[in-house]
Amino acid sequence: NAGVTQTPKFQVLKTGQSMTLQCAQDMNHNSMYWYRQDPGMGLRLIYYSASEGTTDKGEVPNGYNVSRLNKREFSLRLESAAPSQTSVYFCASSGLANTEAFFGQGTRLTVV
Amino acid sequence: GQSLEQPSEVTAVEGAIVQINCTYQTSGFYGLSWYQQHDGGAPTFLSYNALDGLEETGRFSSFLSRSDSYGYLLLQELQMKDSASYFCAVRHRDDKIIFGKGTRLHILP
Repeated sequence: NAGVTQTPKFQVLKTGQSMTLQCAQDMNHNSMYWYRQDPGMGLRLIYYSASEGTTDKGEVPNGYNVSRLNKREFSLRLESAAPSQTSVYFCASSGLANTEAFFGQGTRLTVV
Repeated sequence: GQSLEQPSEVTAVEGAIVQINCTYQTSGFYGLSWYQQHDGGAPTFLSYNALDGLEETGRFSSFLSRSDSYGYLLLQELQMKDSASYFCAVRHRDDKIIFGKGTRLHILP
């Protein structure tokens, strides 16, 4: 099984550019998540989707939008990138409430 | 608000035992989880406590006390490969998963 697949792995954007980070899981999980990780800040939740067709804000949603395209796919969009969005982004998915979350390998994004 | 507090760094000696604590200020969650992350890698699941008490998985054990809003991860027989960051996390009943800021474990030979 591929598990959770994120694309791209690396990206450099100029300030003001837009991009979409893609995430897909093949484990038939209901819940999917987007996190950003910055040094010393741990994993901060941007948005999550508890089921197909629903999305909710996390801890740091400003500057981002998400789409739960179907049960497998959950994308994260930066409409106008800012240097403060330079970070490592992780997508994760999880099944039932008491099961583990599985993470993709991350996207390292630099905004210059 | 919701927050989980962990020490930022812990240092221990190879072969020893180390405990990483996690205190939280939240409610209405299913349980406390622990994740490991090596430099440049993705977090991976280690352990989960739904109920109060100790859960053991090989060299790793995790403990939860809901009455004390406290949990810990215990690593025994430390190996150099255990050098990593460790995160506690809670899953709320609305499916939101919140992580602590992580504890970087340094292991000395």
